[in-house]
Amino acid sequence: AQKVTQAQTEISVVEKEDVTLDCVYETRDTTYYLFWYKQPPSGELVFLIRRNSFDEQNEISGRYSWNFQKSTSSFNFTITASQVVDSAVYFCALTRGGSARQLTFGSGTQLTVLP
Amino acid sequence: SQTIHQWPATLVQPVGSPLSLECTVEGTSNPNLYWYRQAAGRGLQLLFYSVGIGQISSEVPQNLSASRPQDRQFILSSKKLLLSDSGFYLCAWSWESEQYFGPGTRLTVT
Repeated sequence: AQKVTQAQTEISVVEKEDVTLDCVYETRDTTYYLFWYKQPPSGELVFLIRRNSFDEQNEISGRYSWNFQKSTSSFNFTITASQVVDSAVYFCALTRGGSARQLTFGSGTQLTVLP
Repeated sequence: SQTIHQWPATLVQPVGSPLSLECTVEGTSNPNLYWYRQAAGRGLQLLFYSVGIGQISSEVPQNLSASRPQDRQFILSSKKLLLSDSGFYLCAWSWESEQYFGPGTRLTVT
C-alpha cells in the first residue's frame, strides 16, 4: 500500500524567512512520480512540480526548491524568502503504478506567512 | 491549452435529496478523469476515476456514483445525500502523469 506522510500540520513563519515542508512516502513500486500541489484559500489545487523516481536531481524554480532523496523516501519542499502570498495548504502526493495514475495525497501542511 | 470546468461552484442540499455535479475538460482528448472529496481537515480522498468513456472505477464504497457519458465529461451523482457527503469536491484530469484540478464544488448537506 502507498502512503504519504506530511508530519507538519501547521507552520507559521515571518515574511522573508525560509521554510521547509517535509514529505515522506512509502511505496512498493519501482517506478513512481512525486508531486507537490498548492491549495490557496480559493480552494483550487495548483500543480507545482513532478519528480519521477529515477531522477534524484534537486530542482530550483525561483524561490522554490525541492530535495528528493530516495534513500530516505523523502521529497521536501523549501520556500526561500517567503512571502505572504505563499500562505496556503501544501500537499505532497504520490502516484500508484499503472495507467490510471491515481494519486495518494498526504494530509497537507498549512503554511502561514506573517507580514 | 486545456481547461477544466466544474459546476456548480457551491451547493446547499437537504439530506435525502439527489445530487449531480458536472465536470468537463476542454483542449484534450481521452484524458483520465478523477473525482476527489476534501472534507473539513484538508485530506483529499479519491472517490472515482475513469480511463475512458463508460469506464468507472470506485475507490471507496459509498452512496455516490460516477458516470462518463462523453470523453471529456465526468458526472458525480447521488440518489440520496447524507450529512457526511458535505465537503469540497474536486474534479481532475491527467494525460501523462500530472493531474490538473478544477475549481471545485463546495457541497453543504443540511
